[in-house]
Amino acid sequence: GAGVSQSPSNKVTEKGKDVELRCDPISGHTALYWYRQRLGQGLEFLIYFQGNSAPDKSGLPSDRFSAERTGESVSTLTIQRTQQEDSAVYLCASSLELAGLYEQFFGPGTRLTVL
Amino acid sequence: GNSVTQMEGPVTLSEEAFLTINCTYTATGYPSLFWYVQYPGEGLQLLLKATKADDKGSNKGFEATYRKETTSFHLEKGSVQVSDSAVYFCALSDRYSSASKIIFGSGTRLSIRP
Repeated sequence: GAGVSQSPSNKVTEKGKDVELRCDPISGHTALYWYRQRLGQGLEFLIYFQGNSAPDKSGLPSDRFSAERTGESVSTLTIQRTQQEDSAVYLCASSLELAGLYEQFFGPGTRLTVL
Repeated sequence: GNSVTQMEGPVTLSEEAFLTINCTYTATGYPSLFWYVQYPGEGLQLLLKATKADDKGSNKGFEATYRKETTSFHLEKGSVQVSDSAVYFCALSDRYSSASKIIFGSGTRLSIRP
């Protein structure tokens, strides 16, 4: 079946603008994660959704970042008033349940460049 | 808290050389351990995993053994190929934590010379 998809694949924006990134998880996957990967660095956890539970937002770096998920489907990550340090690849992953028990499947990422 | 420390790169080897990428972890619970690989221009994909002590994960000629006594999960391959050039991430997930998210190491870039 289809894997995790993300859109857009690339986004160039001006400092101060808002951006919205989209993730379509694998159908039936209850868990969804957002990560940020800065150039040459590892993955930085941002937010985690699991079914109808309250999301774990502990990784969001500032209140300019927010994310929503409708049920067990699409998720959007919104960055308001973008700054140059927000430039990174934003990765989405989904899994059947808890990552400790099931593999995470990653999307191709959205490369965000803030000028 | 939980953390992962892996060997800094870049690592450059000749084809058919033996590979070891070190990874050690700190965890309060009973983590599962993973190696993910990111090939140039592609997304992350799971390479192998181990869910309990002494388990050995293996895939595509790579192996890693979950060593609880040394809190390690080193990645090894007996004979590397040019196609193994990629960035490798060690990761852990503690299934008993309140939010079971995977914690990634900083990644090790591997380059294989023909």
